Amino acid sequence: QKEVEQDPGPLSVPEGAIVSLNCTYSNSAFQYFMWYRQYSRKGPELLMYTYSSGNKEDGRFTAQVDKSSKYISLFIRDSQPSDSATYLCAMSAPLGGANSKLTFGKGITLSVRP
Amino acid sequence: DGGITQSPKYLFRKEGQNVTLSCEQNLNHDAMYWYRQDPGQGLRLIYYSQIVNDFQKGDIAEGYSVSREKKESFPLTVTSAQKNPTAFYLCASSMLGPYGYTFGSGTRLTVV
Repeated sequence: QKEVEQDPGPLSVPEGAIVSLNCTYSNSAFQYFMWYRQYSRKGPELLMYTYSSGNKEDGRFTAQVDKSSKYISLFIRDSQPSDSATYLCAMSAPLGGANSKLTFGKGITLSVRP
Repeated sequence: DGGITQSPKYLFRKEGQNVTLSCEQNLNHDAMYWYRQDPGQGLRLIYYSQIVNDFQKGDIAEGYSVSREKKESFPLTVTSAQKNPTAFYLCASSMLGPYGYTFGSGTRLTVV
């Protein structure tokens, strides 16, 4: 079992839809959870950063962490064509040194149709 | 503005040649990373460094080499021993600890 699993997609939705992107993980030591957005032929950019369980909201984006189920989600409300990108989840344990490296999901490509 | 710069954006390599990809950051980050990204395979870690003059192999280090002579710079050499080097290469940096990474804009390497 891979440490982080992410739905492979691709995912296509109409403009205005609510999008739900998900990752599951197996390492119970993970406590820091992130979502990155990557536009075509660009580097990933950090979109959301959360610690432990709970929700975090930023505009149209909500990150949700359920540590008991080892499951994280990113919700996008009122999706726009400009949200079309690849979304990668990433997570880290709170240990020092090399153990703090991020573990990434493979990413899911989202297309929002006008 | 602080950031991380990769160059060149596009690079073409002939069979049997070594090529070096540049990565420079002015964020005062201690840690730097190199990833390779292929369609459907996600990000795969090649090398990382947490301090000057020290670096560690990642999951796919064979055929690659790095150096970390300065905190700001972490160049990656793709050697002729790398059998399938055509890919999108991403450099990243971060503070030490469970922090997010800042990525560069990538270098697309093609073998011709």
